[in-house]
Amino acid sequence: AQSVTQPDIHITVSEGASLELRCNYSYGATPYLFWYVQSPGQGLQLLLKYFSGDTLVQGIKGFEAEFKRSQSSFNLRKPSVHWSDAAEYFCAVGAPGNTPLVFGKGTRLSVIA
Amino acid sequence: GAVVSQHPSRVICKSGTSVKIECRSLDFQATTMFWYRQFPKQSLMLMATSNEGSKATYEQGVEKDKFLINHASLTLSTLTVTSAHPEDSSFYICSATLAGRNTQYFGPGTRLTVL
Repeated sequence: AQSVTQPDIHITVSEGASLELRCNYSYGATPYLFWYVQSPGQGLQLLLKYFSGDTLVQGIKGFEAEFKRSQSSFNLRKPSVHWSDAAEYFCAVGAPGNTPLVFGKGTRLSVIA
Repeated sequence: GAVVSQHPSRVICKSGTSVKIECRSLDFQATTMFWYRQFPKQSLMLMATSNEGSKATYEQGVEKDKFLINHASLTLSTLTVTSAHPEDSSFYICSATLAGRNTQYFGPGTRLTVL
């Protein structure tokens, strides 16, 4: 069965500092991996996705993620965090086609001055 | 492109009443839509898969007679919470898949509060 683990429930970083949010997945085949961001009371916005090819993917808002098959990981990174990045971040895994996603429990990011 | 809307964004109702939530793909056709539920400070849990022109597929533990899903067209799916109770209070989010993109686009969500 598919599963996603986000080990960090809550992370606090200083504005301008670098960020890495961890995501580990369990999936029987080559996974489709996603990172979404959710602001309070809002829906989910897609940050980036990985299907195949280059294991380092670039997304919106300066985010990137690296797929590491050997570690079953898809960690999200940003070199310099802005206060507006404070939100909930969800990693998700899916399969090709019209299949639902399996989400991690999310990591809440707080940004301090 | 690939915008999904939901209506209403927020609804408060009395216990025992029914509430309908609409999910629309505004600029694309979606043969498949998904309905998720998110409790406070928790992740999204899939409730059902909605396919245009056929019956929805419900996840284990989700009552199909309580959560009625209709996917009448390629751009609209509705979720009706029947005889709502306070424990149904939650954030309901739909998503739609853009054919060939293997990517789900999410609506902004509907906050349901049952008094």
